[in-house]
Amino acid sequence: NAGVTQNPKFQVLKTGQSMTLQCAQDMNHNSMYWYRQDPGMGLRLIYYSASEGTTDKGEVPNGYNVSRLNKREFSLRLESAAPSQTSVYFCASSQWTGWWNIQYFGAGTRLSVL
Amino acid sequence: AQTVTQSQPEMSVQEAETVTLSCTYDTSENNYYLFWYKQPPSRQMILVIRQEAYKQQNATENRFSVNFQKAAKSFSLKISDSQLGDTAMYFCAFGGSGTYKYIFGTGTRLKVLA
Repeated sequence: NAGVTQNPKFQVLKTGQSMTLQCAQDMNHNSMYWYRQDPGMGLRLIYYSASEGTTDKGEVPNGYNVSRLNKREFSLRLESAAPSQTSVYFCASSQWTGWWNIQYFGAGTRLSVL
Repeated sequence: AQTVTQSQPEMSVQEAETVTLSCTYDTSENNYYLFWYKQPPSRQMILVIRQEAYKQQNATENRFSVNFQKAAKSFSLKISDSQLGDTAMYFCAFGGSGTYKYIFGTGTRLKVLA
């Protein structure tokens, strides 16, 4: 059981380049999330998708776009990468129970922007 | 707005000893849930334990238990019989009732010494 799969695991970009981080889950969850993790700051929510066809901004959405391609896949796009976007990115998914949810995480993508 | 505070950036414990990690939170909600996640050097975020606010009984999962003090808004994690494999970053997270989003603390880095 793969759970939440992220690709790539590592990436180095030059300032101004674009890229898409891929995320797929095989748990039939309805909700998916993108976080970034920076030293001393925990995990901060970038965007989330409560259900297929919907996306909403989180705490730090500037500089990012997302696409909920289908129920399984949720991608994060950096249109013009900046050094401030150097971070570890995590995708997560959950099944909304009605009043709470448990989020399951992928292994992360370490991104460096030079 | 909810906040989560982990005041211990780093801790260490001898193998087989017991250690307690602290977490406090702030919320005006009455129904919510709390989590502890473990992030080992592999970077994978792993759910350790969860607590629903309406439950008075403290959650326990094998060697891991919590001390949930709702009035004090405190949610500490106790690890008994510490093992080398417990070496990791530990994150406390708050989930509000009726919301998909988590609020994470900044983490506590735990090192188990042989």
